[in-house]
Amino acid sequence: KNEVEQSPQNLTAQEGEFITINCSYSVGISALHWLQQHPGGGIVSLFMLSSGKKKHGRLIATINIQEKHSSLHITASHPRDSAVYICAVMGNNDMRFGAGTRLTVKP
Amino acid sequence: DTGVSQDPRHKITKRGQNVTFRCDPISEHNRLYWYRQTLGQGPEFLTYFQNEAQLEKSRLLSDRFSAERPKGSFSTLEIQRTEQGDSAMYLCASSLGTGPYGYTFGSGTRLTVV
Repeated sequence: KNEVEQSPQNLTAQEGEFITINCSYSVGISALHWLQQHPGGGIVSLFMLSSGKKKHGRLIATINIQEKHSSLHITASHPRDSAVYICAVMGNNDMRFGAGTRLTVKP
Repeated sequence: DTGVSQDPRHKITKRGQNVTFRCDPISEHNRLYWYRQTLGQGPEFLTYFQNEAQLEKSRLLSDRFSAERPKGSFSTLEIQRTEQGDSAMYLCASSLGTGPYGYTFGSGTRLTVV
């Protein structure tokens, strides 16, 4: 079993839909990151969480430390949100990554 | 200094050749990380440096791989005698300290071994 599990692996949505991507982890962490990776490979850090909830524009990230679970929500999804979203947890010295969720938003 | 720079962006090499990649982190960041990402997978940790000291190496990093950060600034990752299985995206990231500090990723070097 991977230390970081994401679901779903692939997600197709219509423009405007509310999107949820889930992440569960099995190790102790100091922080959790949600990352966005576009087809060219570049990775952008969207959020870094150690507790509670953060919001940035149409993106919302939550984390439940007791349940070792985090969710990334996208409201009013848009085709430009199409990308791979990766959950990564920060342990003592490095990050462990989920396999990513490939999101496609259709117009 | 606007981010983490990696060079080259793309590298095609013949099997058996040696390749070297460079990463320039954000200047005030003391930690530098190397990751490898194969198609359809999340990145995998390879190694990290705190300043010039290499503090941890993944078992994924075979004897053919070596990384350096000679002056605690830029880092190089060398792969000797490349194999087709080395084809991947090699990502570099840097951070200041540990714990809940932000990471900044480079754009990666895509290696294709033919």
